[in-house]
Amino acid sequence: DAKTTQPNSMESNEEEPVHLPCNHSTISGTDYIHWYRQLPSQGPEYVIHGLTSNVNNRMASLAIAEDRKSSTLILHRATLRDAAVYYCILISQGGSEKLVFGKGMKLTVNP
Amino acid sequence: EPEVTQTPSHQVTQMGQEVILRCVPISNHLYFYWYRQILGQKVEFLVSFYNNEISEKSEIFDDQFSVERPDGSNFTLKIRSTKLEDSAMYFCASSRTGDPTYNEQFFGPGTRLTVL
Repeated sequence: DAKTTQPNSMESNEEEPVHLPCNHSTISGTDYIHWYRQLPSQGPEYVIHGLTSNVNNRMASLAIAEDRKSSTLILHRATLRDAAVYYCILISQGGSEKLVFGKGMKLTVNP
Repeated sequence: EPEVTQTPSHQVTQMGQEVILRCVPISNHLYFYWYRQILGQKVEFLVSFYNNEISEKSEIFDDQFSVERPDGSNFTLKIRSTKLEDSAMYFCASSRTGDPTYNEQFFGPGTRLTVL
């Protein structure tokens, strides 16, 4: 599986935007970029995914670099409930159905 | 909103005992998964299940583990003879299709297994 690298942790303030980076320099043309998060004491939760174009949904936005070697998850207004470990995962089309989680990035949201 | 449920939320067992962890996936989903997370470590894939058979399993999923869909709603993970190192949070997940590029996996809240 292609590798992603994320900072170990980030802090943000409530009601401010937060940009969570992910590097995936070895991404291949058929790799989709997925983001999941894990709130404290809960199971992972899907956030968003994309291939080439930027994507928006009710939870977040995903900005994908033109060369696709990096992406940024954007939470437009962080809330205390967004405090979680965020995972950036590459998934190959037609590949394994399993999710391969890395260490992720812990987001702390300050009130 | 439909959700994956798991029971029990916490299971304590003695080493060497058998345990069965239960999951009810989302009703129209066809693919089912078990993952585990040892305290402080990564979430690890154990097994995926489709059409009443295992479609993929990891090295962790050895002969001590088995999965079953005994009826139309439940999906179970059995550990035949538990070891201390099986202590972990076990997450069940389900998805509509087996292609994760299109369909997200929905996770349950987990069962914390403690082996004494």
